Amino acid sequence: DQQVKQNSPSLSVQEGRISILNCDYTNSMFDYFLWYKKYPAEGPTFLISISSIKDKNEDGRFTVFLNKSAKHLSLHIVPSQPGDSAVYFCAANDMNYGGSQGNLIFGKGTKLSVKP
Amino acid sequence: EAGVAQSPRYKIIEKRQSVAFWCNPISGHATLYWYQQILGQGPKLLIQFQNNGVVDDSQLPKDRFSAERLKGVDSTLKIQPAKLEDSAVYLCASSPFVGYTEAFFGQGTRLTVV
Repeated sequence: DQQVKQNSPSLSVQEGRISILNCDYTNSMFDYFLWYKKYPAEGPTFLISISSIKDKNEDGRFTVFLNKSAKHLSLHIVPSQPGDSAVYFCAANDMNYGGSQGNLIFGKGTKLSVKP
Repeated sequence: EAGVAQSPRYKIIEKRQSVAFWCNPISGHATLYWYQQILGQGPKLLIQFQNNGVVDDSQLPKDRFSAERLKGVDSTLKIQPAKLEDSAVYLCASSPFVGYTEAFFGQGTRLTVV
């Protein structure tokens, strides 16, 4: 049973336009959400996060939106650049769950291709 | 600051053989994780350590997988005997303490079982 779902395996966007990556979750106990970026042959690197007490967090070109009632979050990249081409993983955590804090539950990822 | 170091980068073994992976976390990080990432999937947690103690190993297939972190610093993950379905990238990650909001990942070890 997938608790974190990324239903789009891939996304292609033109350079300069907006990229929107979506993520849905099923566990209402999740209270912290992260986006990781992964290049081929490298480990995932942290990109941006959001606590469940917020509905938006912005960091430069990257903005994450959280809709708790819909159990949905999205990552917006504006403007998209060719260097943003990578696999993006959505991850969630229940920060209140005892010793398992920090145990990230990942989606399957969305491969973003930004074309020049 | 040096990142999480893993070795080897790649390993090919035959089924039923054994294999071990090594991880050195970021200096001072008390929490260490091993994740398994099968092709086309997101990383899945196998085991979490806090210093040299196991915090969560509920998803570790204990009949064939084992992991240790004896001195609370580096860690090894072992598979014995390996199966074809163990082919995956094994990622090590660390964070300063349990409850820290993000984990820092190494480059991973790509295991192919033939």
